[in-house]
Amino acid sequence: NAGVTQTPKFRVLKTGQSMTLLCAQDMNHEYMYWYRQDPGMGLRLIHYSVGEGTTAKGEVPDGYNVSRLKKQNFLLGLESAAPSQTSVYFCASRERNTIYFGEGSWLTVV
Amino acid sequence: KNQVEQSPQSLIILEGKNCTLQCNYTVSPFSNLRWYKQDTGRGPVSLTIMTFSENTKSNGRYTATLDADTKQSSLHITASQLSDSASYICVVSALQGAQKLVFGQGTRLTINP
Repeated sequence: NAGVTQTPKFRVLKTGQSMTLLCAQDMNHEYMYWYRQDPGMGLRLIHYSVGEGTTAKGEVPDGYNVSRLKKQNFLLGLESAAPSQTSVYFCASRERNTIYFGEGSWLTVV
Repeated sequence: KNQVEQSPQSLIILEGKNCTLQCNYTVSPFSNLRWYKQDTGRGPVSLTIMTFSENTKSNGRYTATLDADTKQSSLHITASQLSDSASYICVVSALQGAQKLVFGQGTRLTINP
């Protein structure tokens, strides 16, 4: 997982609070993704970006916003956290057919 | 609907034994199939990637096979080690741009001494 860094690693939020997850990659990749992983389910795409300044919705975008102001950073925001957003969040970047994942961010909303 | 189904959901074997994990998919049009290993509390790490024309690919003790006609793939682990305990995820990519990766739910493999 070298090259894709996620912060924070763990966070507990109260319902209604906001927060931002940061993903940084130092491999100069164009494509970046945010996924969530829930028990018994495959990773689901929240939002993705095909380059600096671009973002697009994935499979489960509701309740999340993203920004890609710099090529190396992809931010995932929760404006008003809900318990349903308790999950493990993974960032990934891609170059051709190779995808690199971050180490994950564990988010609990109480 | 594009789907990836993995079996079994979980598997327990003794150290040194071999095992095979299955992946069936309905993703179309097919681009490639990846197998990932995900240790507990870590991000997925790539094991193999196969395109339509590839039937088998090895990475050390891991051997993946692909039958594009039946839309099935398997991951065979030889001479298992305790460090093989992890979740193994099958991911199929469709020819629909940057975002179309369909993830299986994973197989949880436990290697007992």
